[in-house]
Amino acid sequence: DAGVIQSPRHEVTEMGQEVTLRCKPISGHDYLFWYRQTMMRGLELLIYFNNNVPIDDSGMPEDRFSAKMPNASFSTLKIQPSEPRDSAVYFCASSPQGSQPQHFGDGTRLSIL
Amino acid sequence: QKEVEQNSGPLSVPEGAIASLNCTYSDRGSQSFFWYRQYSGKSPELIMSIYSNGDKEDGRFTAQLNKASQYVSLLIRDSQPSDSATYLCAVNIWSNYQLIWGAGTKLIIKP
Repeated sequence: DAGVIQSPRHEVTEMGQEVTLRCKPISGHDYLFWYRQTMMRGLELLIYFNNNVPIDDSGMPEDRFSAKMPNASFSTLKIQPSEPRDSAVYFCASSPQGSQPQHFGDGTRLSIL
Repeated sequence: QKEVEQNSGPLSVPEGAIASLNCTYSDRGSQSFFWYRQYSGKSPELIMSIYSNGDKEDGRFTAQLNKASQYVSLLIRDSQPSDSATYLCAVNIWSNYQLIWGAGTKLIIKP
């Protein structure tokens, strides 16, 4: 079975540009989570969805960040405009139910110059 | 503030020995507990989950949970150099289904 699929794997762009990260969760998983990981702050939850509905976006750092889940098999995380401090690895994870383990994608390594 | 605490390490263990990783959590409402392994440059990978007090064994790995002491641990027997990684403890609180993550313990297995 395919795991969580993220794209792109690497993204390098200039400050001020729009960045869109994509995620396909494991089929049948009702929960989808977006995380950001840095050396300084560790793994941070940005937002999570249940059945395509955003449940908690309190981790989204500011209005420059937005996330959508138009259907059960696709989600995006958008940063507009991007800033150098957004440089991090962004992970998408999914789980069949909220209390069950989360399965991570390979991540997107984002560098904002 | 719900917290999960781990010793950041690095924890250095000789090959073949038992590696012991510890995690404490603050919320008594915590119900599910997970250990993830993360190699450098890779994503977190689930290695153990535990839901009730006691021990749970899977191959060389044993997870131990003590809810009264709010303590969960991971033992790795016969440690191998390939076990060198950062181990993340995560705790699930059913009220909101978020995982609260520890900062991770870096484990180094010395040949």
